[in-house]
Amino acid sequence: DTGVSQDPRHKITKRGQNVTFRCDPISEHNRLYWYRQTLGQGPEFLTYFQNEAQLEKSRLLSDRFSAERPKGSFSTLEIQRTEQGDSAMYLCASSPLRANIQYFGAGTRLSVL
Amino acid sequence: SQQGEEDPQALSIQEGENATMNCSYKTSINNLQWYRQNSGRGLVHLILIRSNEREKHSGRLRVTLDTSKKSSSLLITASRAADTASYFCATDARGNNRLAFGKGNQVVVIP
Repeated sequence: DTGVSQDPRHKITKRGQNVTFRCDPISEHNRLYWYRQTLGQGPEFLTYFQNEAQLEKSRLLSDRFSAERPKGSFSTLEIQRTEQGDSAMYLCASSPLRANIQYFGAGTRLSVL
Repeated sequence: SQQGEEDPQALSIQEGENATMNCSYKTSINNLQWYRQNSGRGLVHLILIRSNEREKHSGRLRVTLDTSKKSSSLLITASRAADTASYFCATDARGNNRLAFGKGNQVVVIP
């Protein structure tokens, strides 16, 4: 399978714990995006990378959130000191450099108890 | 704030009928895209229309774009049960790589 993969698919955690999600984009795609989606809403942009450089971050990405793409391949999104309001689907997408069609993974559903 | 914003509709139609949904946005765009999302899954790109285009077709899909009204419509012809999903429009503002999604339209096609 050469699509975007995300791991884990589901994560249940207690409030205050840290969680980390992984995204493996389509191998030849330079750009990688993270979005958050809550029930009944469309995805909201969080951040994006071009190769290993994080080029833009949304105001939604508070200090508790950090994303990395150390070698320009896979990316991780970490949430520290999780809160119940962090419960959502976290979607990763990738795209080639000269196109803005984004290819999405199946997402990681986070439930904070 | 999100640029794309669909009319908040939940459509329920019979198989074989056409489904139309609309989207409005607020600022200048480079292009507008439509995505489909099946329950609990990621989004799948359907079609992209550039700001200098007015209409585009892809299989059973027809998209229109009216930049003067800042609106777009997606028509699915001869719907099938497999078309049951949520449909989102997303705008790509000029010089920006983020997509701004609307709230989505839920479409149910009854066999």
